[in-house]
Amino acid sequence: AQSVAQPEDQVNVAEGNPLTVKCTYSVSGNPYLFWYVQYPNRGLQFLLKYITGDNLVKGSYGFEAEFNKSQTSFHLKKPSALVSDSALYFCAVRDMFRINDMRFGAGTRLTVKP
Amino acid sequence: DSGVTQTPKHLITATGQRVTLRCSPRSGDLSVYWYQQSLDQGLQFLIQYYNGEERAKGNILERFSAQQFPDLHSELNLSSLELGDSALYFCASSPGLLDEQFFGPGTRLTVL
Repeated sequence: AQSVAQPEDQVNVAEGNPLTVKCTYSVSGNPYLFWYVQYPNRGLQFLLKYITGDNLVKGSYGFEAEFNKSQTSFHLKKPSALVSDSALYFCAVRDMFRINDMRFGAGTRLTVKP
Repeated sequence: DSGVTQTPKHLITATGQRVTLRCSPRSGDLSVYWYQQSLDQGLQFLIQYYNGEERAKGNILERFSAQQFPDLHSELNLSSLELGDSALYFCASSPGLLDEQFFGPGTRLTVL
């Protein structure tokens, strides 16, 4: 079965600095990869996805993610962090052979300090 | 606002009881998903429906069941509730099977 790992429970960055939230995955076939963000007391919000094509995917709020097949990674990045980016970030993966089953990582709490 | 609505927002009940959580998907979305989010288990996929039919099952307990009605709204039924069932329950919807999901605000269930 597919799985996804977010190796860092917590990421702290200073406002204005670049941020990276890491995600690695394991699937049998081709992966469909997603990033979601969750603000306190809210549901998850879709940020971006990779299905096929260009390895660099651009999403909402200035976020982007790079798909790396050889390293089975899909790290989330932003060139300049904002305090308002502080939230819980989830990586998710679908396996083309189990397309209806989406697996989420445990989440990474991003804190951006002024 | 994602366009997905869930009721109720909060639910407090006792062990052994049964509750029903309701979800209305975004207009036009045919897929509905249910998730459980707890501190120790993280976000767990429970079940998916597509246009009224069950399409995938995740870590859903036998005490839990769901259905999707002809108007595409969905209900998640939780019975013989235990303390460990206390969690946030999210519904999500998507247009089809491969698309990104749009999450509702969740129902916070507290079992006392």
